[in-house]
Amino acid sequence: QKEVEQDPGPLSVPEGAIVSLNCTYSNSAFQYFMWYRQYSRKGPELLMYTYSSGNKEDGRFTAQVDKSSKYISLFIRDSQPSDSATYLCAMSATGFQKLVFGTGTRLLVSP
Amino acid sequence: DTGVSQDPRHKITKRGQNVTFRCDPISEHNRLYWYRQTLGQGPEFLTYFQNEAQLEKSRLLSDRFSAERPKGSFSTLEIQRTEQGDSAMYLCASSPPPRFGNEQFFGPGTRLTVL
Repeated sequence: QKEVEQDPGPLSVPEGAIVSLNCTYSNSAFQYFMWYRQYSRKGPELLMYTYSSGNKEDGRFTAQVDKSSKYISLFIRDSQPSDSATYLCAMSATGFQKLVFGTGTRLLVSP
Repeated sequence: DTGVSQDPRHKITKRGQNVTFRCDPISEHNRLYWYRQTLGQGPEFLTYFQNEAQLEKSRLLSDRFSAERPKGSFSTLEIQRTEQGDSAMYLCASSPPPRFGNEQFFGPGTRLTVL
């Protein structure tokens, strides 16, 4: 079993929909949680960064971390065709530098 | 552009050849990372530098792979005797000193194709 599980999709939604992306993980030592957006053949772009549990909001994006359930989510409000990309969750443990990534979820937002 | 830069962006080579990639981190970021990403997968950690010291290496980094960061600024990743299985996107990321945060910022990647 992988340390981080993420549904690869694709997830298809109409423009304006609320999108929910999720990851589960098995390592209880993970404390730092990130979401990256990656367009085809480009490098990952950092969207959200959270430490430990709780919610964080930035514009149309909201990240949630539930450490008791080992479950993290990214919500995108008012989705746009330009949001079509692969969304990667990543996490790391205190004292460890490496990020452990999910496989990524491919999101398609249709006009 | 003040982001992480990587060179070259694309590299096609024949099996058995050596290749070298370069990464220039964001200015004043003392931490630098290399990852490898294959199609349909998330990036996998290869190695980590703090300043010029290589502090962590993944088991993925076989003897054919070597990374350096001689002056604590740019870094190079060399693959010797390339194999078809080395075909992947090689990503570099950098982070500021820990007191400024632990976010990792990625470059555009170098796409390697081994024929």
